[in-house]
Amino acid sequence: QQPVQSPQAVILREGEDAVINCSSSKALYSVHWYRQKHGEAPVFLMILLKGGEQKGHEKISASFNEKKQQSSLYLTASQLSYSGTYFCGTPFSGGYNKLIFGAGTRLAVHP
Amino acid sequence: DTAVSQTPKYLVTQMGNDKSIKCEQNLGHDTMYWYKQDSKKFLKIMFSYNNKELIINETVPNRFSPKSPDKAHLNLHINSLELGDSAVYFCASSQDLRRSYTEAFFGQGTRLTVV
Repeated sequence: QQPVQSPQAVILREGEDAVINCSSSKALYSVHWYRQKHGEAPVFLMILLKGGEQKGHEKISASFNEKKQQSSLYLTASQLSYSGTYFCGTPFSGGYNKLIFGAGTRLAVHP
Repeated sequence: DTAVSQTPKYLVTQMGNDKSIKCEQNLGHDTMYWYKQDSKKFLKIMFSYNNKELIINETVPNRFSPKSPDKAHLNLHINSLELGDSAVYFCASSQDLRRSYTEAFFGQGTRLTVV
């Protein structure tokens, strides 16, 4: 039931790009993305909906393939502030009102 | 104004004690949650409340008892604390995820250390 994220960790230099993937064995109606900085709460980044609609961040893009039950988060021209752990979440799993998160992807951006 | 606030931020206590964590949201959301984040950063849902009613209990031990006096508050009481309860506990709130495409807002977390 828990979505699967890959890779587990990424190390980048400033300005480099990264892709974080999220896949589910169950049908996805939407996918949430959150970022958590060390010692802080998770913060909402984006929601991707069936049909291609998105809601969220200006500088971060993402895709949602409903048929493949996958989503990808694209971090381009990374900045130091992008460092943190990224979580994808699948809402209303099994019809219930709950957000189930993947195990997270740790991203470290160095100068 | 803090949207989701929880207290205390840090809690250090001995095994066997009982403790409570409080959470309040001023966003007018219908649904509130408790998540547990372990040392490996895994965010696991514990409880979900909708308009003061418990709708999900994710096989959490009976020692954990959530209470929602109204839809803006969700407290977590833990009895007979064990070493394995040490973690960061996050409260969160959202509108009903099944009816509106809206995000969850998290409190700042309570770092519980059981010694």
